[in-house]
Amino acid sequence: AQTVTQSQPEMSVQEAETVTLSCTYDTSESDYYLFWYKQPPSRQMILVIRQEAYKQQNATENRFSVNFQKAAKSFSLKISDSQLGDAAMYFCAYRSARAGNMLTFGGGTRLMVKP
Amino acid sequence: DSGVTQTPKHLITATGQRVTLRCSPRSGDLSVYWYQQSLDQGLQFLIQYYNGEERAKGNILERFSAQQFPDLHSELNLSSLELGDSALYFCASSTGTSEYTGELFFGEGSRLTVL
Repeated sequence: AQTVTQSQPEMSVQEAETVTLSCTYDTSESDYYLFWYKQPPSRQMILVIRQEAYKQQNATENRFSVNFQKAAKSFSLKISDSQLGDAAMYFCAYRSARAGNMLTFGGGTRLMVKP
Repeated sequence: DSGVTQTPKHLITATGQRVTLRCSPRSGDLSVYWYQQSLDQGLQFLIQYYNGEERAKGNILERFSAQQFPDLHSELNLSSLELGDSALYFCASSTGTSEYTGELFFGEGSRLTVL
């Protein structure tokens, strides 16, 4: 079974600075997808960014980018120019390309943004 | 707004009781997923339905059951409730395109408190 580990329960960043959230995963598969979801206090899970394992290029969505290291099974999220609205729980998630759309989530990282 | 609607948003009940959580997926989405989010277990996949049929099963207790109706809405039934069932229950949906991208659209969740 696949597992996803987020080793940082909490992180804090100063507004306008950059922060990196870590995620590692364990799988024996070669074809899969990785995601970062954001859960603000409103509770709703919002997709931040997606990475296909077969793509070597790291995904980027505006201020959000990932560092995908397939051999190391690492998938970190970098948030640039942090904003107060970025404060939330961030979850890393894995989906096998074979297993339908079931997502396996990490334990989450709470990000605090200081003004 | 993800387009996924969950009711009720909050529910307080007693041990031994039974409750039903309801989910309406985004218009056109055929797949519905249920997840449980608790402090000690994190986000756990419970069950997936696709166009009325069960497609995948995760760590769902025998006391829990779900179904997807012809109009594609889904219900999660929780019976013989225990204190440990207190959690946030998420419903998510996906459509044909996102079957290949992995993106799930989440509702705001139903907060269940068992006293």
